[in-house]
Amino acid sequence: QQPVQSPQAVILREGEDAVINCSSSKALYSVHWYRQKHGEAPVFLMILLKGGEQKGHDKISASFNEKKQQSSLYLTASQLSYSGTYFCGTEREGGSEKLVFGKGTKLTVNP
Amino acid sequence: DTGVSQNPRHKITKRGQNVTFRCDPISEHNRLYWYRQTLGQGPEFLTYFQNEAQLEKSRLLSDRFSAERPKGSFSTLEIQRTEQGDSAMYLCATPDRGRLSPLHFGNGTRLTVT
Repeated sequence: QQPVQSPQAVILREGEDAVINCSSSKALYSVHWYRQKHGEAPVFLMILLKGGEQKGHDKISASFNEKKQQSSLYLTASQLSYSGTYFCGTEREGGSEKLVFGKGTKLTVNP
Repeated sequence: DTGVSQNPRHKITKRGQNVTFRCDPISEHNRLYWYRQTLGQGPEFLTYFQNEAQLEKSRLLSDRFSAERPKGSFSTLEIQRTEQGDSAMYLCATPDRGRLSPLHFGNGTRLTVT
């Protein structure tokens, strides 16, 4: 039931782009993305509903492919502040209103 | 500041002792979630409340864990007869509004069982 995230870790130089994927074997109702910095609580980024809509703010955007039950998070022109661990949380179609989180993708942005 | 306050921030206890954590959302959200997070892992769902009713409890949670939310406001999570494997960060979260709204996490209680 836990979604699978890939890659496990990414190292970038400032200004480079990255894509983080989140896949589920179950039909999903929604996908949430969070970022967590070391020693801090996870912070909300965005929510996507089934239907393939794409969302974004600033240079971070995401998509949800309902057919594949996969969501992707796109980080464009990365900044040092993007460093942290990114988690997707999924809510199953017809399931209870709880989020199940993946193991995370650690992103490091270097100068 | 997420508006979710958790106490204590850190707790060190000896194996076999009981511990209790508290979560206070700023305003009275209908739903309240408890998660556990260990190093290098994502938050693991433990249980959640709709007002004072506990609607779901993870199958992974042993009978040593119990949670309450009297009056639908603050919540407590108790672990009895702690084991070293219980060492983790315990996170509380409440949503902005209803379903499909962002979860706001507290800063957590870090439990260390020696």
